[in-house]
Amino acid sequence: DAKTTQPPSMDCAEGRAANLPCNHSTISGNEYVYWYRQIHSQGPQYIIHGLKNNETNEMASLIITEDRKSSTLILPHATLRDTAVYYCIVPAASARQLTFGSGTQLTVLP
Amino acid sequence: NAGVTQTPKFQVLKTGQSMTLQCAQDMNHEYMSWYRQDPGMGLRLIHYSVGAGITDQGEVPNGYNVSRSTTEDFPLRLLSAAPSQTSVYFCASSPFDFYNEQFFGPGTRLTVL
Repeated sequence: DAKTTQPPSMDCAEGRAANLPCNHSTISGNEYVYWYRQIHSQGPQYIIHGLKNNETNEMASLIITEDRKSSTLILPHATLRDTAVYYCIVPAASARQLTFGSGTQLTVLP
Repeated sequence: NAGVTQTPKFQVLKTGQSMTLQCAQDMNHEYMSWYRQDPGMGLRLIHYSVGAGITDQGEVPNGYNVSRSTTEDFPLRLLSAAPSQTSVYFCASSPFDFYNEQFFGPGTRLTVL
């Protein structure tokens, strides 16, 4: 798997956009970027994934730089319920699994 | 749909005991997997299955067995529990392979004394 680097923690004010960065400078051309989150004590929840184009769904937007060496997950209007650990994952094309690292603890403040 | 269900929610074992953690999904997903999560850590893959009758090892398979006799069920067996297996165990499923969105169960919190 391409190694990913995320800040250990971030804060965001409720109602504001939360921008979570992820560095994956060793990513290969056919490897996807996945984002999951884990709310305390619950199972992880899929958010979004992408290859090279920006992606948007009902939960978030994923912005991947043109060189694909980094990406940003955007939660457009963060709520208290978005407080969670966010994992950026780049599995190797030949891998059969997702590898969860330490992630970023996002705390949404009232 | 109930999604991915896991039983039990909590379990306490003594060293050397064996037990089976149950996982079931009602979404007709081919891919299922088991992860463990130790305190303050990310998830680590134990075993996975790409369909009934097919299983393979993940990152940390030692001390665990799996089988996949049906599409719906993917039990995880602890052969002889050790304190190092104290963890929270999550089961997940996805339609075809891990590339698809994975749906996780609520977890089983296991303590081995």
